[in-house]
Amino acid sequence: DTEVTQTPKHLVMGMTNKKSLKCEQHMGHRAMYWYKQKAKKPPELMFVYSYEKLSINESVPSRFSPECPNSSLLNLHLHALQPEDSALYLCASSQVREGYEQYFGPGTRLTVT
Amino acid sequence: GEDVEQSLFLSVREGDSSVINCTYTDSSSTYLYWYKQEPGAGLQLLTYIFSNMDMKQDQRLTVLLNKKDKHLSLRIADTQTGDSAIYFCAENTGGFKTIFGAGTRLFVKA
Repeated sequence: DTEVTQTPKHLVMGMTNKKSLKCEQHMGHRAMYWYKQKAKKPPELMFVYSYEKLSINESVPSRFSPECPNSSLLNLHLHALQPEDSALYLCASSQVREGYEQYFGPGTRLTVT
Repeated sequence: GEDVEQSLFLSVREGDSSVINCTYTDSSSTYLYWYKQEPGAGLQLLTYIFSNMDMKQDQRLTVLLNKKDKHLSLRIADTQTGDSAIYFCAENTGGFKTIFGAGTRLFVKA
């Protein structure tokens, strides 16, 4: 099973709302990632968790707050977002070993109004 | 620094072979990847090659690596309309950070 699932598929939120994106994998991977992807651009790394600990934060604004409750789950809490935060948010997972090949979920299409 | 470059567009006829090219700059790259992204979907890992290999074949896909020129290519044999997508080349030098190219948009004409 090489599936990473993400919910919701689509999300529309106002700038004062609080919402969360969810990601789940059952491949036994111990690294999980959040990416942001704008239209016609490659994905940009936001956060990496390794063994449920935050390993990388790519200077992401504090209105994005990641959480890794266990080795299978990854959340991204959103608060006071701006219209320019509208994008496709992708979750990925990988083994923590040579190669680090990442498996991606289908993404959450976020629109901030 | 690390950089991955790809041409932006490729158009082929159905049944022909497609060749998507990529160049990378980091000579310490250990793994090189090809991902496929269809409209509105996530990235699908197609194949990858370790830097001590020259070639890898997987059904219709052939990856060639020229380490001296830092050039990677993906050949899709018998291209079908379902192969229309964006193809990302990516490199990993060890660790969590993977560097993605800008993506090549493949158009397959019936």
